[in-house]
Amino acid sequence: GQQVMQIPQYQHVQEGEDFTTYCNSSTTLSNIQWYKQRPGGHPVFLIQLVKSGEVKKQKRLTFQFGEAKKNSSLHITATQTTDVGTYFCAGQSSNTGKLIFGQGTTLQVKP
Amino acid sequence: DVKVTQSSRYLVKRTGEKVFLECVQDMDHENMFWYRQDPGLGLRLIYFSYDVKMKEKGDIPEGYSVSREKKERFSLILESASTNQTSMYLCASSRTSRNYGYTFGSGTRLTVV
Repeated sequence: GQQVMQIPQYQHVQEGEDFTTYCNSSTTLSNIQWYKQRPGGHPVFLIQLVKSGEVKKQKRLTFQFGEAKKNSSLHITATQTTDVGTYFCAGQSSNTGKLIFGQGTTLQVKP
Repeated sequence: DVKVTQSSRYLVKRTGEKVFLECVQDMDHENMFWYRQDPGLGLRLIYFSYDVKMKEKGDIPEGYSVSREKKERFSLILESASTNQTSMYLCASSRTSRNYGYTFGSGTRLTVV
């Protein structure tokens, strides 16, 4: 079945360093969504990318959708302790419309 | 503030018990979903519903059933709880339009002993 793979599973960074998580789908996606889950919390919707090659920014976060609409990335510039949490990508299948979540990347930031 | 409310934050049940997890949303969303979240496995879809009285199996429906009698309420039922159903259960809702993300509830951490 369709899979969405996300790497790395864990990332430890020093505060101020950059961070990137990558998401790859086995099939073409109609869109990709990103969520953040704080420790002890629930996933919160961050953004959706729809167009091939799309790039969107939210303050220090930059989201990209690949040209082939099969991969995506989230880049955080100059991490802060408030960025701690697990970041999930979720791809919506072009065929079924179902949203498939990646396994998540857990970010830890050392002050 | 729009909300998805799950009835219990923590629940402990015995093996073999019938367990009901309730989820209510106040956003008039058409779609509702039940996921379970386990370390290293991410979020796995159990069941979903695109309309009242409608349900579809997700990726891991075995041992579960659902009920959607009203638009705002989506219940997950564990017919006979087993220890491998110990997990965090997350309910979510969304609009039919594909321009919106999912809104998740706070989750129910279920322990089956």
